[in-house]
Amino acid sequence: AQSVTQLGSHVSVSEGALVLLRCNYSSSVPPYLFWYVQYPNQGLQLLLKYTTGATLVKGINGFEAEFKKSETSFHLTKPSAHMSDAAEYFCAVINQAGTALIFGKGTTLSVSS
Amino acid sequence: DAGVTQSPTHLIKTRGQQVTLRCSPKSGHDTVSWYQQALGQGPQFIFQYYEEEERQRGNFPDRFSGHQFPNYSSELNVNALLLGDSALYLCASSLGQIQETQYFGPGTRLLVL
Repeated sequence: AQSVTQLGSHVSVSEGALVLLRCNYSSSVPPYLFWYVQYPNQGLQLLLKYTTGATLVKGINGFEAEFKKSETSFHLTKPSAHMSDAAEYFCAVINQAGTALIFGKGTTLSVSS
Repeated sequence: DAGVTQSPTHLIKTRGQQVTLRCSPKSGHDTVSWYQQALGQGPQFIFQYYEEEERQRGNFPDRFSGHQFPNYSSELNVNALLLGDSALYLCASSLGQIQETQYFGPGTRLLVL
């Protein structure tokens, strides 16, 4: 069965520092992986996705993620944090039927000046 | 291009009542999925509608039901509300094929007293 584990429920960085949010997955089929961001009192916005092909995926707002099959990981990074990046981040894998997203519990990113 | 819209934005009900939430998909999308996001948790899949039929269902009781209309819009109905049904209800739309990216609306926040 598919599942996602996000390591660290809360990550704090300084403005301009590297952002690293960790996600490990379990999947019985080749995974389709996603990162979504949720700002307070809003819905989820797609940051980036991996389906097939290039393992380094670039998304919006300067974020990128690398699919590592050997490590079953899909960590999200951004070279330089901005205050506006403060939000909740969710990693997700699509289920075996290809119909539903299975989400991790989320990581809250705080950015200090 | 209108994104996914949901109504109402907020709702307060009492235990035992019934509620109906509404969703209009992104232009060009024909598939609607519903998710429940409890406070501090990742979203959980309720069900997906395609061609006016329930294509797949998550681990939710029969108190949760839905409908999709010919214009692809959708409703989520919850009967006999429990305190534990308090959550943010998210609608996501996508194209008909499986494994297509899901785009989320802003959600409806339901409080059950």
